[in-house]
Amino acid sequence: GAVVSQHPSWVICKSGTSVKIECRSLDFQATTMFWYRQFPKQSLMLMATSNEGSKATYEQGVEKDKFLINHASLTLSTLTVTSAHPEDSSFYICSARRQQGGDQETQYFGPGTRLLVL
Amino acid sequence: GQNIDQPTEMTATEGAIVQINCTYQTSGFNGLFWYQQHAGEAPTFLSYNVLDGLEEKGRFSSFLSRSKGYSYLLLKELQMKDSASYLCAAMDSNYQLIWGAGTKLIIKP
Repeated sequence: GAVVSQHPSWVICKSGTSVKIECRSLDFQATTMFWYRQFPKQSLMLMATSNEGSKATYEQGVEKDKFLINHASLTLSTLTVTSAHPEDSSFYICSARRQQGGDQETQYFGPGTRLLVL
Repeated sequence: GQNIDQPTEMTATEGAIVQINCTYQTSGFNGLFWYQQHAGEAPTFLSYNVLDGLEEKGRFSSFLSRSKGYSYLLLKELQMKDSASYLCAAMDSNYQLIWGAGTKLIIKP
């Protein structure tokens, strides 16, 4: 079963509004979560790395004031797209890193959130 | 429920061929994706299959059988740089991705 969930799965909004997407690890604590953006049949583009209790690390070219990330707890990270515009329409995917003892870790991906900005 | 299964780890020899299998159960089906992920990097798109059959792309090929809920990724002429995790993901009727846990492929000289 799924170990990482995202909410909502679909969102349609008007240009200029803000949209919040939640990413939850369901049965483990994730000190690190990642946010990706995916265009059709393309690789996942890493937007930012979210660390619990500290500021997110953004990839080059990603506006931190536009894509606000909050990792408030060990099971929840949120991505807020502020003042969304049609070019922000995309498929947003989160993932959570699970530490499994020693140096072993596994990354689990969420089902994605489709954002359509009209 | 929805589920994806793929082997946890596989080992192969440089220059050889390896097949990574993936079985899926989803509510509806809108295609199957394969991604390659090197440690510490974002997943790279490899292939997308929505119709039955084999799609070849250079050294990599991907096969889909919708009736069997089965796909495989075939890697030929293995190179050391092919050592990575390979993720299988199926898209359900709501266009949500159901991810496998990934197959760690180890290439030995």
